[in-house]
Amino acid sequence: SQQGEEDPQALSIQEGENATMNCSYKTSINNLQWYRQNSGRGLVHLILIRSNEREKHSGRLRVTLDTSKKSSSLLITASRAADTASYFCATDPSEKLVFGKGTKLTVNP
Amino acid sequence: DVKVTQSSRYLVKRTGEKVFLECVQDMDHENMFWYRQDPGLGLRLIYFSYDVKMKEKGDIPEGYSVSREKKERFSLILESASTNQTSMYLCASSSRPRGYTFGSGTRLTVV
Repeated sequence: SQQGEEDPQALSIQEGENATMNCSYKTSINNLQWYRQNSGRGLVHLILIRSNEREKHSGRLRVTLDTSKKSSSLLITASRAADTASYFCATDPSEKLVFGKGTKLTVNP
Repeated sequence: DVKVTQSSRYLVKRTGEKVFLECVQDMDHENMFWYRQDPGLGLRLIYFSYDVKMKEKGDIPEGYSVSREKKERFSLILESASTNQTSMYLCASSSRPRGYTFGSGTRLTVV
């Protein structure tokens, strides 16, 4: 069952630019999480935003959540080549997380 | 540094073999999960467990079983491997409401 859906599916930018990825979901949530996956590896938890929060920062990451629109965005500022990865949003409509299909970000040096 | 360890990074098995994928976490997490990841399909939940000896089916449990005899270990079993089970398998653990910690994944090829 697909809950979150990321947009765009793929994004290619130059080093130093900002990258914005969006996530839409269908049902009410307790929190929304973002993960990063480097090619062929496991996922790494980036940030969790609770349903009563609107914005959260962590280093170069900024996450927003709009529960009225059932959407979230992940902004990576001043991107680096090392940010090249797939990014997934995940929501918890029940006791377990449901992941979207991800946005593949390529940061060109 | 907290860890989820999957026993193999790469595995090649023959059709019909019984396959065991092992996952161990050192964080004393109650919850453990097995996902498979395929291109274009994203991560799909196979099974999860909230406690020792407890298991629940995820979205695609057919052809799989699991075992959780100890809190730190969650095993995924392919009873009779088939080629359509060729995939990346990801184990994760969590202690709500925090995020999941994933292992590095096992890329299984069934020939």
